[in-house]
Amino acid sequence: DTEVTQTPKHLVMGMTNKKSLKCEQHMGHRAMYWYKQKAKKPPELMFVYSYEKLSINESVPSRFSPECPNSSLLNLHLHALQPEDSALYLCASRPPGHLYGYTFGSGTRLTVV
Amino acid sequence: GQNIDQPTEMTATEGAIVQINCTYQTSGFNGLFWYQQHAGEAPTFLSYNVLDGLEEKGRFSSFLSRSKGYSYLLLKELQMKDSASYLCALTEGYKLSFGAGTTVTVRA
Repeated sequence: DTEVTQTPKHLVMGMTNKKSLKCEQHMGHRAMYWYKQKAKKPPELMFVYSYEKLSINESVPSRFSPECPNSSLLNLHLHALQPEDSALYLCASRPPGHLYGYTFGSGTRLTVV
Repeated sequence: GQNIDQPTEMTATEGAIVQINCTYQTSGFNGLFWYQQHAGEAPTFLSYNVLDGLEEKGRFSSFLSRSKGYSYLLLKELQMKDSASYLCALTEGYKLSFGAGTTVTVRA
């Protein structure tokens, strides 16, 4: 298995809803990432987990809450989002000890209404 | 911190060559990546440079000069499917940061 799988592929949620994005990989990668990408903009780093511990939080609002329950799974819990949070949310992973070898998932297209 | 600059748009003809430049400033350099991204899709890895010089991979080549803070991606024998955004990215520790991307349009 050489993929990063993200679910769902599309999500529409209201501003009062609570939803979660899921990311899964079975490549033994121990660094996992959440990125947010707006249309015609580059991906922006949100969070980095290393060995299941949060190592980087790029000053992301608390309405985004990441979770790494095990080495294969990364979640992003969403609550009280705003319409401007609508974007493509990308998950990526990287092998331990490698400075390259990032693998990206195909993303979740989120629309907040 | 990091600062990555690349042109916003480039247009070229099918079969031609295009060179996308990337200049950067960083406090810690661990490598430079080039990614291709089609609209609405995930970035796909094209190349990685950590030492100075040219890396060739089929129709795509990437060059790095660390002393000049400069890289380029060379796309040869352009095909219509090469129309995409090309992202220059830097690693600093665990962090991978992207430039704004260059949209390449290939005309018939």
